[in-house]
Amino acid sequence: RKEVEQDPGPFNVPEGATVAFNCTYSNSASQSFFWYRQDCRKEPKLLMSVYSSGNEDGRFTAQLNRASQYISLLIRDSKLSDSATYLCVVNVREYGNKLVFGAGTILRVKS
Amino acid sequence: SAVISQKPSRDICQRGTSLTIQCQVDSQVTMMFWYRQQPGQSLTLIATANQGSEATYESGFVIDKFPISRPNLTFSTLTVSNMSPEDSSIYLCSVPQGRRYNEQFFGPGTRLTVL
Repeated sequence: RKEVEQDPGPFNVPEGATVAFNCTYSNSASQSFFWYRQDCRKEPKLLMSVYSSGNEDGRFTAQLNRASQYISLLIRDSKLSDSATYLCVVNVREYGNKLVFGAGTILRVKS
Repeated sequence: SAVISQKPSRDICQRGTSLTIQCQVDSQVTMMFWYRQQPGQSLTLIATANQGSEATYESGFVIDKFPISRPNLTFSTLTVSNMSPEDSSIYLCSVPQGRRYNEQFFGPGTRLTVL
């Protein structure tokens, strides 16, 4: 079983739609959680850290469910510029600062 | 956040040769990380480069194949040795930024093609 699992997609949605991505992680010792965005042929960029209480940044909302070992990302009012690969990333305490990356979910927003 | 640069940005190399990739950060950082992203795949950590000590390698990666230098707190190099086509990947360095949540920020990457 992969340490971090995501639906690879692609998710094809129209502009203005709301889209949700899910991610599960296997190691219960995971302590920090992130969503990164990666555009084609570019480096990953931090989109959001995911806090235990959940957090919102504009159109983006991230939630964490430790009991189910599940992380989600909700994007409201999708823009064409949101098209990218979204990477679910987990830091495990016992690994020090090592980040474990999911394979990514592809989002395509179309006009 | 820190500004991270990598050199070269891309290269095409012949089988059996070696390539050294440089990573420069505009601020001092204790740890730097080297990742590989193979075509169509996500990122995999190769090693953690610590200043003043040997790099720590992840399972499946060895020092003979991926020697790393860390001469100071703003610079590191990764060498891909005796390359084969399977080494064709994007190689990225990253540095930690957040104290509480262990965020990492990435350099622009080096796109390597081995013929």
